[in-house]
Amino acid sequence: DVKVTQSSRYLVKRTGEKVFLECVQDMDHENMFWYRQDPGLGLRLIYFSYDVKMKEKGDIPEGYSVSREKKERFSLILESASTNQTSMYLCASRPGQGATNEKLFFGSGTQLSVL
Amino acid sequence: GNSVTQMEGPVTLSEEAFLTINCTYTATGYPSLFWYVQYPGEGLQLLLKATKADDKGSNKGFEATYRKETTSFHLEKGSVQVSDSAVYFCALRGSSASKIIFGSGTRLSIRP
Repeated sequence: DVKVTQSSRYLVKRTGEKVFLECVQDMDHENMFWYRQDPGLGLRLIYFSYDVKMKEKGDIPEGYSVSREKKERFSLILESASTNQTSMYLCASRPGQGATNEKLFFGSGTQLSVL
Repeated sequence: GNSVTQMEGPVTLSEEAFLTINCTYTATGYPSLFWYVQYPGEGLQLLLKATKADDKGSNKGFEATYRKETTSFHLEKGSVQVSDSAVYFCALRGSSASKIIFGSGTRLSIRP
């Protein structure tokens, strides 16, 4: 089975801190995604990457950046954490293009609290 | 741009009731459509999918039909169980896009 591992289940940070959320997948997937999940808003796409060193902005990239130096690892960076970035962060991966490769595989999430 | 709209929850039903969760979409071309489910304390997982018009996705007794004429992909189940209690997300991947966008989610609770 594909495994998508997020480094922390719970994280508490202070306003203004630089925060790194790490995600690793073990199935050589080309595509990786970062979403945040908020009650009543569902999942909103922050950034995604379709190859090493390639990235594209999602719907809410402001205040975030990403890094994909290796195929298996996709990092989300909060340059200066703010309270409105308190959320559940979900990482996902998917193989490359093709109708048989539609399924997203999700990690278990990181609940980030910014105080 | 592409978007997904699904019915607001929470939805509470009795066991063995019929379930419908509405989902409509806006997209150009021929998107792929999905339902994902998040059980309490677990990560999201794919429930079913349909990749072209009139396709029916099905899994675990759930069904959804890709209706291009009404731009809909409603989730149905004939007889729900307590174990179906979860949050359900409708999602879409555009025909020329890598990213997948999600609806706001519908929380379903089933009473014994």
